[in-house]
Amino acid sequence: DTGVSQNPRHKITKRGQNVTFRCDPISEHNRLYWYRQTLGQGPEFLTYFQNEAQLEKSRLLSDRFSAERPKGSFSTLEIQRTEQGDSAMYLCASSYPGPSYEQYFGPGTRLTVT
Amino acid sequence: AQSVAQPEDQVKVAEGNPLTVKCTYSVSGNPYLFWYVQYPNRGLQFLLKYITGDNLVKGSYGFEAEFNKSQTSFHLKKPSALVSDSALYFCAVRDRGDDKIIFGKGTRLHILP
Repeated sequence: DTGVSQNPRHKITKRGQNVTFRCDPISEHNRLYWYRQTLGQGPEFLTYFQNEAQLEKSRLLSDRFSAERPKGSFSTLEIQRTEQGDSAMYLCASSYPGPSYEQYFGPGTRLTVT
Repeated sequence: AQSVAQPEDQVKVAEGNPLTVKCTYSVSGNPYLFWYVQYPNRGLQFLLKYITGDNLVKGSYGFEAEFNKSQTSFHLKKPSALVSDSALYFCAVRDRGDDKIIFGKGTRLHILP
């Protein structure tokens, strides 16, 4: 399967713990995006990369959130000191560069903070 | 600022009937417009997009959408609904000067057998 993959698919953690999610994009895509989706809402943009460069971060992305794409391939999203409000589905997408290209989404990582 | 509105939380249609899922948008410039579908426990799947040219865009699974610049709308349509079309549908917009996509809240489509 050459689609976007995300791991883990589900994560349950206690408040205050750190969590890290991984996204492997489609190999020929150099753009990679992170979104957060809560129940009843559409995906909300968090950040995106072109190759290894992080080009934009949303104001939704607090200081507890950090994303990396060290070699321009896979990406990680880390949340430090998790809070219950962080419970959501975290989606990763990839695309070719340029605004006319559609994004291809992974299955998401569902985070539950207890 | 860009925004997308999907005025209906739910749409119910009998199988075999035509369906329409509404979307209106607001951007400062000319838009790129997208429709995605989300099935339970799966990521979003791309259906179709409007970039330029013909206002009627055809996409996957028999879906099409009509771009109307004067009404700033991009409604999703299908001539004959299938029960398997039941899912959550998202409209999305991207300003040509921007790299991020803004999604609507989604419309849940129920196709009744």
